[in-house]
Amino acid sequence: EAQVTQNPRYLITVTGKKLTVTCSQNMNHEYMSWYRQDPGLGLRQIYYSMNVEVTDKGDVPEGYKVSRKEKRNFPLILESPSPNQTSLYFCASRSHGTTLGNTIYFGEGSWLTVV
Amino acid sequence: AQKVTQAQTEISVVEKEDVTLDCVYETRDTTYYLFWYKQPPSGELVFLIRRNSFDEQNEISGRYSWNFQKSTSSFNFTITASQVVDSAVYFCALSEAQRGRSSNTGKLIFGQGTTLQVKP
Repeated sequence: EAQVTQNPRYLITVTGKKLTVTCSQNMNHEYMSWYRQDPGLGLRQIYYSMNVEVTDKGDVPEGYKVSRKEKRNFPLILESPSPNQTSLYFCASRSHGTTLGNTIYFGEGSWLTVV
Repeated sequence: AQKVTQAQTEISVVEKEDVTLDCVYETRDTTYYLFWYKQPPSGELVFLIRRNSFDEQNEISGRYSWNFQKSTSSFNFTITASQVVDSAVYFCALSEAQRGRSSNTGKLIFGQGTTLQVKP
């Protein structure tokens, strides 16, 4: 079954304590990305990766890092979380192709609260 | 710049009423894709439909229908005979068009979302 798996699904953490949200896909997709969802703002892209070892900033990258050492994994790292990073996070993946209409698969979301 | 606007923040209807969720987009690209997603209270994003910019035919899937009009840059979503289970946040989204492989960010541009509440 095609899946994008995120962990943890729910997390409450404290300001400044480094955390990593993992994302793994089983579809051999080249492209992966992270979004955050905030009320009234919809979803905004944080980082994306076109392939292994190729990552780039999205619209709201401040305070986040990513890595893409393996094709299937794309972890989101918060080195020093702050309360304004409290949000719902989604990982997404899709295959390359000549069209951006390729199906985009989303993970189930990770609810992160920073106190 | 590309943008998606869902002007309706919240809509409340009574069960069995029809409801239309509006979506207006802006893009300079001639090739693009439009999407609708449903987000139930559990939080996951459920894919509803994808439409490419060259296909303006309306689509119907059960109680759901979509009206794509390039002339007004709109991609509206109608639920007929709404049910309580339709209560959710609905997002409209636009994909960037590809401008050569090196500049393909693959980003989806989302609207702000419309919260639909269907009361029994």
